[in-house]
Parts: sequence; structure tokens; C-alpha cells
Amino acid sequence: TQLLEQSPQFLSIQEGENLTVYCNSSSVFSSLQWYRQEPGEGPVLLVTVVTGGEVKKLKRLTFQFGDARKDSSLHITAAQPGDTGLYLCAEEIYNQGGKLIFGQGTELSVKP
Amino acid sequence: KAGVTQTPRYLIKTRGQQVTLSCSPISGHRSVSWYQQTPGQGLQFLFEYFSETQRNKGNFPGRFSGRQFSNSRSEMNVSTLELGDSALYLCASSPRTGGVSEAFFGQGTRLTVV
Repeated sequence: TQLLEQSPQFLSIQEGENLTVYCNSSSVFSSLQWYRQEPGEGPVLLVTVVTGGEVKKLKRLTFQFGDARKDSSLHITAAQPGDTGLYLCAEEIYNQGGKLIFGQGTELSVKP
Repeated sequence: KAGVTQTPRYLIKTRGQQVTLSCSPISGHRSVSWYQQTPGQGLQFLFEYFSETQRNKGNFPGRFSGRQFSNSRSEMNVSTLELGDSALYLCASSPRTGGVSEAFFGQGTRLTVV
């Protein structure tokens, strides 16, 4: 069974700081999705990475997919309180009809 | 376009009872998946329905069941509730047009079993 490990589990930083969260697997990802979940809400998809070495940017967020497709990172530049939330990586299991395997998540708190 | 709607938002039930949760997917989406989210286990896949057929099931006991109607709306049922079933239950819909599919989640139903 694919196991996704996210680190760190918790992160508390001041507004304006940079941060990176990681998602690693023992196996090769077919593709990887990053979600953000705010309290009381469902996860919202931020990005999907498919190709090894791929880099995608979403405003202050930069997503990287490892060359070997076994790891991914999310870097946030100049974090803002609005970035607070649970960041989840997930893999859609190939040929298993929409089944997503999620990491445990990184709980980010950005203090003003 | 309206998002994924889950009802009810909150529910309190007693051990041994059963519960039915409802999910209305985004219009045109034929795939509906259900997930359980708890602080200890995180987000875990329950099952997925596509065109009224269950295509995949997670590692949950038979007390957890679901179905999908011809209009793609889905229901999830949990029978003989246990304290450990307290969780946020999330529904996600997807167009599933091929390739990697984006999942759109509802706000969830917070179930508390007492």
C-alpha cells in the first residue's frame, strides 16, 4: 500500500517568513496533488504535478515534483495569515477508480 | 456553477443507531467519492461511485455502505454506530473525463457519536 509521508506535521511561523513542506513516498507516484483545507471546510485542490522534475507556481506558492517522482515539495514565499490551514498531498491510485491516498498533512499557522 | 453540497453539516447520534449522509455533486460530474477524516487517521478513502456503480472500496467494515442515484447524487449509510465513527465525512465529485482527475470536495458532515 502506498504510504505518503508529510513533514513537518506542524509549522508555526510569523507573517513574511518562507517555508517548505515535503511529501515523500517509498514508491513512484503516478501523479501527485496538493490540497489546502481550512477549518470547517473540505480540501481545495491547489495543483497537480505529473512529470518528474516539474515545477508549478501559484502566486507565492511553488510546487516541485522530484525527478524520480518519489517526492514533492511546496514552498511558500512571504507567508501571510491567509495561508493558514492544513496542507495535504495526495496520490490518485492508477486504475483504482478515483481513489486518493492522502498524507497526514502539514498544519500551518501564520501569525500576523 | 454550484459546488458539492453535503447535508446535513452536523449530526449527533447515539451508539447503535444508523445514519445517512447525502452528497449532491457538481452538475455534470458522474464520479462521487467518500472519505472519512479523523485527527488520528487523517483522510481515508471509503468508496467511489461512477454512474451508479461502486468502482472501488476502502478498508472499512461492512457497516459503511453507499449508493448513487441516476442523477449522480450519492448517499452514505453507517449502521450500528460506534464511538470511533465520530469524524468529518467528506464527499468529492469529479468529472473523470480521463487522465488525472481533479476532485472537488464538499464542506463535509461532522458526525458525533455519543
